[in-house]
Amino acid sequence: NAGVTQTPKFRVLKTGQSMTLLCAQDMNHEYMYWYRQDPGMGLRLIHYSVGEGTTAKGEVPDGYNVSRLKKQNFLLGLESAAPSQTSVYFCASIQRGSEGYGYTFGSGTRLTVV
Amino acid sequence: GEDVEQSLFLSVREGDSSVINCTYTDSSSTYLYWYKQEPGAGLQLLTYIFSNMDMKQDQRLTVLLNKKDKHLSLRIADTQTGDSAIYFCASNSGGYQKVTFGTGTKLQVIP
Repeated sequence: NAGVTQTPKFRVLKTGQSMTLLCAQDMNHEYMYWYRQDPGMGLRLIHYSVGEGTTAKGEVPDGYNVSRLKKQNFLLGLESAAPSQTSVYFCASIQRGSEGYGYTFGSGTRLTVV
Repeated sequence: GEDVEQSLFLSVREGDSSVINCTYTDSSSTYLYWYKQEPGAGLQLLTYIFSNMDMKQDQRLTVLLNKKDKHLSLRIADTQTGDSAIYFCASNSGGYQKVTFGTGTKLQVIP
């Protein structure tokens, strides 16, 4: 089925550990985004990409890095995890010029940092 | 940057109408959205309205936009238990189709 796939779905990290979250889409969308969702704060944009090889900072980029080496994949990295990064992470994508269709979201990665 | 605000919680009885309200700050937003999130799932686009429209109706859903007051509302007619979810208001702003989301309103439908 076409859509956005996020892996892993759940992860528990110790403070200071690193990990990479993978987002893959098979819709040939140009634009991809990483959001984090925290209770009472909605979704906040971490980083985004408007094409292969390009990335840009969003609202809350500190502590995260991203890469988009292939058009279909957008990776989110945590180099040294902190408890404040405990959150649910969502990836989204959209075709350029298709605002009326809205984002296609993945099902999320629930990350706990202890 | 853009700020989108909505109340956190709404409780209605099954069969009643639900009205979820939202305010936003960026007058240059061209699209305003309502997304629905069911437990343990990602967000799904429910409906949207273009900024030059005042109202949009889609079956049980009615979206009203007051551009002067920067106020958006979503009315769900004949609310069902399956409508229980978190509803996010969102606006596109800042270019590259970036979207700013509100805090989400949790709708509880009482049978």
